[in-house]
Amino acid sequence: AQKITQTQPGMFVQEKEAVTLDCTYDTSDPSYGLFWYKQPSSGEMIFLIYQGSYDQQNATEGRYSLNFQKARKSANLVISASQLGDSAMYFCAMREGGNNAGNMLTFGGGTRLMVKP
Amino acid sequence: GAVVSQHPSRVICKSGTSVKIECRSLDFQATTMFWYRQFPKKSLMLMATSNEGSKATYEQGVEKDKFLINHASLTLSTLTVTSAHPEDSSFYICSARSERGPKGGYTFGSGTRLTVV
Repeated sequence: AQKITQTQPGMFVQEKEAVTLDCTYDTSDPSYGLFWYKQPSSGEMIFLIYQGSYDQQNATEGRYSLNFQKARKSANLVISASQLGDSAMYFCAMREGGNNAGNMLTFGGGTRLMVKP
Repeated sequence: GAVVSQHPSRVICKSGTSVKIECRSLDFQATTMFWYRQFPKKSLMLMATSNEGSKATYEQGVEKDKFLINHASLTLSTLTVTSAHPEDSSFYICSARSERGPKGGYTFGSGTRLTVV
């Protein structure tokens, strides 16, 4: 079974509007971390936001917020006030287990976001 | 913050030759480095986990004799694609965890785009 599922291969959003990118995950480990990364055409992975499984509040980083619904195992990314520079691939990822240097990230299939002027 | 330097960023090589990709942690010690491969318009797939001073752990389906990983020091991990063929053409990217990294700790190299002709 897929550990990280992103059901939207591509999304369009009008500039200045908000957009939600979906992510669901599957783990039986009570300790895990959820991440969102942006990957522009250059290929670099840009960290956006992190949510720990024990965090009580939803994470926010500037225009990015994470809608963490633990019971539903979803961790959707909300981008407010979209900008043209937000056009890129977006990946949801999960680390299972605690904060250990040896725990790798598992990535979802990605969503390509295109911001329309 | 934690920085991982990856070189080269792009390489074109002839079939049958070997290519070495380096990832250096510039301002922290990386006991573990992760190597990912990404096909065009696809997600990142973990190839192997590189451990300083010991053998790498390869994911199922990854040929360890083809993708040689060496992690001889706390700041350097290398991936050598041996006897490269056109099907090895891909984007390769490394990652390491550090307390000095972004929240959650993972820092990525800038990636290497390999083209085998």
